[in-house]
Amino acid sequence: GAGVSQSPSNKVTEKGKDVELRCDPISGHTALYWYRQRLGQGLEFLIYFQGNSAPDKSGLPSDRFSAERTGESVSTLTIQRTQQEDSAVYLCASSLSRQGAEKAFFGQGTRLTVV
Amino acid sequence: AQSVTQLGSHVSVSEGALVLLRCNYSSSVPPYLFWYVQYPNQGLQLLLKYTSAATLVKGINGFEAEFKKSETSFHLTKPSAHMSDAAEYFCAVSGAGSYQLTFGKGTKLSVIP
Repeated sequence: GAGVSQSPSNKVTEKGKDVELRCDPISGHTALYWYRQRLGQGLEFLIYFQGNSAPDKSGLPSDRFSAERTGESVSTLTIQRTQQEDSAVYLCASSLSRQGAEKAFFGQGTRLTVV
Repeated sequence: AQSVTQLGSHVSVSEGALVLLRCNYSSSVPPYLFWYVQYPNQGLQLLLKYTSAATLVKGINGFEAEFKKSETSFHLTKPSAHMSDAAEYFCAVSGAGSYQLTFGKGTKLSVIP
């Protein structure tokens, strides 16, 4: 596609429910990143995928968070047993190469509200 | 380890006035520095970046930033604010060639007609 696409754009869920957030990277981009942006905070790195290499999960805040990506395609970020502090905008980015950050293009984000 | 501090969560300027958004960083390795802009309901867009070439970096929409190693700063400026500049601006740092960005908390810029 022309850009990084994320869905849904908005999600309201009840505390304790599981949610799945989807990211479609730019075609051909081997690297994919997830960031979280909580109100009044900067973006926090969550996870990084590069091709078929083992992902860097060092930013995931708890074991309730997980992410998958098959090859160089779509990624899903799953949050289990959501809590109110999970409310944030979740941003996905992709880039052509592992050299990275300066080459990344960001999606519009998914705004998650846990009530 | 890296960190970014943006001074002022909210800055207001009059249309036509100078825009100055401050960013200080700390990094244990030579840094790459970035400014991103986020318009309402849109994704982050790269404004400009410093990657160890010229210290004065020009970006889109008339913005520029100067890397000052002695001051560990990378302030964003624009000589004359336009209404369309109203947005949230994020400063970020990464290690050279690293994939991980460390962001500041952001500065919301308001432009008063």
